[in-house]
Amino acid sequence: GESVGLHLPTLSVQEGDNSIINCAYSNSASDYFIWYKQESGKGPQFIIDIRSNMDKRQGQRVTVLLNKTVKHLSLQIAATQPGDSAVYFCAEGGGADGLTFGKGTHLIIQP
Amino acid sequence: GAVVSQHPSWVICKSGTSVKIECRSLDFQATTMFWYRQFPKQSLMLMATSNEGSKATYEQGVEKDKFLINHASLTLSTLTVTSAHPEDSSFYICSARDNENYGYTFGSGTRLTVV
Repeated sequence: GESVGLHLPTLSVQEGDNSIINCAYSNSASDYFIWYKQESGKGPQFIIDIRSNMDKRQGQRVTVLLNKTVKHLSLQIAATQPGDSAVYFCAEGGGADGLTFGKGTHLIIQP
Repeated sequence: GAVVSQHPSWVICKSGTSVKIECRSLDFQATTMFWYRQFPKQSLMLMATSNEGSKATYEQGVEKDKFLINHASLTLSTLTVTSAHPEDSSFYICSARDNENYGYTFGSGTRLTVV
């Protein structure tokens, strides 16, 4: 069936470096994508979203890129900090439906 | 920003008992709310879509008689896990969709442990 997935389950980066987390989706009809951050024992925290009529969107230290041709989504985090350590999920949505979440990537920031 | 309050944050109950989890949108109205379940080291899985004033829509494989959903107002949805069993132990998370801007806001989750 349709799914949203991630390439890497764990990503380890040095503090201060940039991080890139990738996500592949298979539903070509998806028109809304969101990145969430989840810390242990907490609910998902919104990071940034993008609609299918865009290919790039920037926030504070974060950038989301959308490549509809290859159905690929990425989250770039600039100058990673210890507080960025968490599990990151991409999610696909649209219409009145709930979100479909990817498997998650555990981002580890090394000092 | 939009805030969703979810209570309790954790609960331990005995097998066979029922547990109610509340999800409230504090500063916006939400005709639609969603309930997710998350097992350790796994992703969130949508269980059901809660619609104010009408019956909830359940995802395939989710028992509607076991997971009772009530969405009686534009700011409150409840999930009741009936006759709970140890395999129902999980992290339950709600999400509310803002009627004004259609944004999704998540609650902080409820850790259910059935003993």
